Amino acid sequence: GAVVSQHPSRVICKSGTSVKIECRSLDFQATTMFWYRQFPKQSLMLMATSNEGSKATYEQGVEKDKFLINHASLTLSTLTVTSAHPEDSSFYICSARSLAGVQMEETQYFGPGTRLLVL
Amino acid sequence: GDSVTQMEGPVTLSEEAFLTINCTYTATGYPSLFWYVQYPGEGLQLLLKATKADDKGSNKGFEATYRKETTSFHLEKGSVQVSDSAVYFCALTNDYKLSFGAGTTVTVRA
Repeated sequence: GAVVSQHPSRVICKSGTSVKIECRSLDFQATTMFWYRQFPKQSLMLMATSNEGSKATYEQGVEKDKFLINHASLTLSTLTVTSAHPEDSSFYICSARSLAGVQMEETQYFGPGTRLLVL
Repeated sequence: GDSVTQMEGPVTLSEEAFLTINCTYTATGYPSLFWYVQYPGEGLQLLLKATKADDKGSNKGFEATYRKETTSFHLEKGSVQVSDSAVYFCALTNDYKLSFGAGTTVTVRA
């Protein structure tokens, strides 16, 4: 149980285009999803927290107009990198917290990540 | 704010050696503690967790004990295998957010 998928796993795009990354919780409902960015050989940096049906909360320094997050259902959140540039190339990872009964679980379950390369 | 400090790597071991990765934390209140593992090219997988003082998390031969008096959550495995080669992240959660350590790269040689 507690499987999170991401699609696509890899994407290469031209500078100036937009890229959408999907994050799905496959066997549980996730009222809260998180988006992280990971640079090579570094830890994860939280970009934003996404709650179903409401606007995402962005961390300081993350441009909300560049990284659009939509959490349309309890099993799907999307991250759109708008007008991507080479410096946006990175490994993007989502995670989800499950709702177990009436209590939110603390454990976050991570997707396998999406490697974005902007040429 | 909350923070996690873990042992810098990289760590290189021979198969069947003993592995310890130190992790200490700073947090208000009573955080839950986690170890996540990231295999090459993959996302993070939860390895083990502990939610209160003196709890021991264990999985796949790995263990870590929540020590509130020393604010530590050191990861140990008695006999590592080549398949344990990965990056290990210590983390805590005290609210909605996870705070990660920098990660420790472990390489196990046959």
